[in-house]
Amino acid sequence: DTEVTQTPKHLVMGMTNKKSLKCEQHMGHRAMYWYKQKAKKPPELMFVYSYEKLSINESVPSRFSPECPNSSLLNLHLHALQPEDSALYLCASSSQTGFGNSPLHFGNGTRLTVT
Amino acid sequence: GESVGLHLPTLSVQEGDNSIINCAYSNSASDYFIWYKQESGKGPQFIIDIRSNMDKRQGQRVTVLLNKTVKHLSLQIAATQPGDSAVYFCAEATSGTYKYIFGTGTRLKVLA
Repeated sequence: DTEVTQTPKHLVMGMTNKKSLKCEQHMGHRAMYWYKQKAKKPPELMFVYSYEKLSINESVPSRFSPECPNSSLLNLHLHALQPEDSALYLCASSSQTGFGNSPLHFGNGTRLTVT
Repeated sequence: GESVGLHLPTLSVQEGDNSIINCAYSNSASDYFIWYKQESGKGPQFIIDIRSNMDKRQGQRVTVLLNKTVKHLSLQIAATQPGDSAVYFCAEATSGTYKYIFGTGTRLKVLA
């Protein structure tokens, strides 16, 4: 079991649907991340929230909309996706301190299929 | 042996042998490096990390080596076991940033 929980585990949606991916951590981490991973490829950074504020947006299309309601929760709202957006979406968190970076802790992801 | 092609590079090793997985990182400003293990259907799992003020760090059955001169990172796994079969990724980051960038990954296959 991981300390980062993602729901749902699997999601199938049509191109006109609106859905949301959810992520929760209770480790007290103040940085939370969304990554996208295609088959046989490394995770690609999408968004980073630090202290509930959007810190990094890696030029992600606006059909992906992140939200950080509080320090434990991270959402990714999906609207009008394309079939090429089908991938594993991974949430991660980390504790950033004045002593430098720390490891990312990942959830097991949401497997998204866009039809 | 190692094979590289259109698919994920694969390293095949006999059970009980030592494994060495290599990674070339891209940013000379990176000063924090992590190795992850990813099993099928799961998220990446932290194995070991190293900061740029070190060139070697050891964990349980694993050792990470860092060569900043040639921007190279390696993960050594001692006495490789079937449970070590997975895809391994290196990741790099620069202190004070949240941008963790992953390498292309290597699939480790342990042969019985």
